[in-house]
Amino acid sequence: DTAVSQTPKYLVTQMGNDKSIKCEQNLGHDTMYWYKQDSKKFLKIMFSYNNKELIINETVPNRFSPKSPDKAHLNLHINSLELGDSAVYFCASSQAGNPYEQYFGPGTRLTVT
Amino acid sequence: AQSVTQPDIHITVSEGASLELRCNYSYGATPYLFWYVQSPGQGLQLLLKYFSGDTLVQGIKGFEAEFKRSQSSFNLRKPSVHWSDAAEYFCAVSSGAGSYQLTFGKGTKLSVIP
Repeated sequence: DTAVSQTPKYLVTQMGNDKSIKCEQNLGHDTMYWYKQDSKKFLKIMFSYNNKELIINETVPNRFSPKSPDKAHLNLHINSLELGDSAVYFCASSQAGNPYEQYFGPGTRLTVT
Repeated sequence: AQSVTQPDIHITVSEGASLELRCNYSYGATPYLFWYVQSPGQGLQLLLKYFSGDTLVQGIKGFEAEFKRSQSSFNLRKPSVHWSDAAEYFCAVSSGAGSYQLTFGKGTKLSVIP
């Protein structure tokens, strides 16, 4: 039983394309997150989202947008992909009242050529 | 703004040896502190956390960490390393008070010699 799952695991695409990464959690959590891990393994939060509030890291370009069809899903849409978007993207979730204990998905490695 | 420094990029230890991974944080008040482990090709798993109280916290897989306010440190320790502990270890801090954001250090890669 996978707690936090992401698809696809690998994504290779060309500059200028639009792509989406899907995330699902079956933990009953109500807050979800997207993180970006660069080539130097530096992990940085991009978004946190619950059914009431979207918090965006101010450094994230507006080409990135989270979409949540329901509490169990938080998808990441990326428009006009750039070379610098190549990274591993992690989805995570946490329980109401305990946002500090986050459960991570296995990651999606995005390569932009 | 809060920040985390992990001074060691890569550490190699022999199996059975003790381990200490260093973490220093910068934050004005008492932070919430965490250690996560990332095995190759996997997501991050929470090892342990410190919110308040006893400064020595126990985690999963035999790990422990000690919060030292005077040194702004939260070092991770294990008395006897197993080959399966080879992974990337990340220290993280949150300002608490309802903040959802974790700020991570750049990680320390642990290699274990059989």
